[in-house]
Parts: sequence; structure tokens; C-alpha cells
Amino acid sequence: AQSVTQPDIHITVSEGASLELRCNYSYGATPYLFWYVQSPGQGLQLLLKYFSGDTLVQGIKGFEAEFKRSQSSFNLRKPSVHWSDAAEYFCAVEYNQGGKLIFGQGTELSVKP
Amino acid sequence: DAGVIQSPRHEVTEMGQEVTLRCKPISGHNSLFWYRQTMMRGLELLIYFNNNVPIDDSGMPEDRFSAKMPNASFSTLKIQPSEPRDSAVYFCASSQTRGGLLYSNQPQHFGDGTRLSIL
Repeated sequence: AQSVTQPDIHITVSEGASLELRCNYSYGATPYLFWYVQSPGQGLQLLLKYFSGDTLVQGIKGFEAEFKRSQSSFNLRKPSVHWSDAAEYFCAVEYNQGGKLIFGQGTELSVKP
Repeated sequence: DAGVIQSPRHEVTEMGQEVTLRCKPISGHNSLFWYRQTMMRGLELLIYFNNNVPIDDSGMPEDRFSAKMPNASFSTLKIQPSEPRDSAVYFCASSQTRGGLLYSNQPQHFGDGTRLSIL
């Protein structure tokens, strides 16, 4: 079955430190890949997406993600975290199903001052 | 540009009552998705429409749930009768899908959700 795994339920980093959030998807045809962020009480906001081409994609708010086909991974990174980055982050994949997204369980990010 | 608009933002009602959630997708988008978010199950796709036609409703929990999309600018998700276990945040999302049921090639845009509490 198609699935998305975010192994880390909760991560705490210090402000200014680097960040990497992990995402793995089940093996199969290369899907479209997305990272969304959700602040409390808000909907999901798209951070970045990968459809094809360069495997390192840049997103908003200084985030980037790298697609690694051999590892079926799409990890999200940021070189220096800001307190405002505290939120929940969702990885999502879309297979050839007319736009149907499968979400990971989410990673909650806390930022220490 | 207006994003996906959902109403109401919050709904509190008693068990057994009918609940109707509303969604206005982004103008020009032809795919619409309803999701439910809970602590236990995360984000689940309930149903999605393409060009106002339901494509996949396999995520709809049971017959108490129904969804309609009478036109390109409006959709409803109805629960009748409601139960406490339906309490969740319900999100609507829309996107532009090209080529029918092929890859959308466009990300989904989410509304702010409806927080539903069934007492």
C-alpha cells in the first residue's frame, strides 16, 4: 500500500540551529512530493514541491528539500531555524491518482530560544 | 486573490444533529478535496471531486457522511446524524488538475478548516 512515513513525531531545536525533517514514501513510481506547514488553528500552507528535474528544491521561508530516489526520501531542511518556524510539518505524496494526496503523520517542531 | 474559503470556522452541536460544512474553492480550480484531521488518525482524505464529479469517496467513514458539489464554486460536506466521534477539524482543499485523472501538476491549496465539536 502507498504510504508516507515521518519518523519523528516531535523535534526540538535551538533557534539558529539547522533543521532536517525526514520523510520516506513507499517504493513505487516516483510520485509528486510536497511539504506543508500548519500553524495552530490554521490550514496547511505549501512550503515546496517536487515534480521533476533538479532534485534539490527551494521553497518559501528559507526551506529546501532534497529528493533521493534511491532512498525514497524527501527530507526538509533549513540552515538556521527561527522561532516563528515552530509549527507542524507534513510531508505528502501524490501518485497518479488525479491529485489525491497521501500525508505523513506530521512532525511537530518546537524552537528553543 | 481569495484562497479556499470554509464556513463555519467553528461548530459546536449536540449528538444527533445534522451538520453542514461549506467550502468555496479557488476560482478556476477544478478539483476539490475534503479532509478530516484528528490526533489519532492524522489527515485523512474523505472524498474528492474533479469537475464537480465525485471521483473517490473511499475515505468517507460511513453512510452518515455525504458530500456534494453542485457547481464549480461550492461544495458541502454533511453529517447526519452526527456523533461525538465525528469531532475533528475538517479541511477543504482545491487544485487545478489537468488531463483529467492524470497528475495534477499543481499543489493543493487548503482552507483554514472547520473545527467541529459534537457533544
